[in-house]
Amino acid sequence: GESVGLHLPTLSVQEGDNSIINCAYSNSASDYFIWYKQESGKGPQFIIDIRSNMDKRQGQRVTVLLNKTVKHLSLQIAATQPGDSAVYFCAENPGTASKLTFGTGTRLQVTL
Amino acid sequence: ETGVTQSPTHLIKTRGQQVTLRCSSQSGHNTVSWYQQALGQGPQFIFQYYREEENGRGNFPPRFSGLQFPNYSSELNVNALELDDSALYLCASSSGTGEGQYFGPGTRLTVT
Repeated sequence: GESVGLHLPTLSVQEGDNSIINCAYSNSASDYFIWYKQESGKGPQFIIDIRSNMDKRQGQRVTVLLNKTVKHLSLQIAATQPGDSAVYFCAENPGTASKLTFGTGTRLQVTL
Repeated sequence: ETGVTQSPTHLIKTRGQQVTLRCSSQSGHNTVSWYQQALGQGPQFIFQYYREEENGRGNFPPRFSGLQFPNYSSELNVNALELDDSALYLCASSSGTGEGQYFGPGTRLTVT
């Protein structure tokens, strides 16, 4: 079936560096994407979203890039901080459907 | 603005028993979605409620059922619990069926 997957299960970066977390999606009908951050023992926290009529969207220290040609999504975190350590999920929504489809996540480890 | 709340935080049940989990949506949100998250996995969509009606369902058996109340809060009921039902159950609310979903802290269910 359709799924959202991630290339790197674990990403280790030094404090202050930029992080890039990648995600591949397979449902060509998906037109809405969300990045979530999940810390241990907590629910996923909404970070940023993007619709398919855009290829880039910026938030505070975060940027999401969408490449519909190759069905690829990325999350860039600038000046990564220890508090950014968590598991990051991308999720897709085919628009009119009600569900979000998640991948298995990427663990971001920030080293001092 | 009040975020999504869930109760209880933790629950231990015996195989074959029934359980009810509760969720209060974020103020201003009329849609509630339920997800199951097994350890080390991404959340899996169970179903969504919009205007007190089920609006989409994932690949879960009928012993998973739900309700939404006029104040948009929701319940997830699971009958005939199985060991594999042990997971973190997440509730997410949104202001529309295709919009960004905001998650609660989850209920950790352990079935023994």
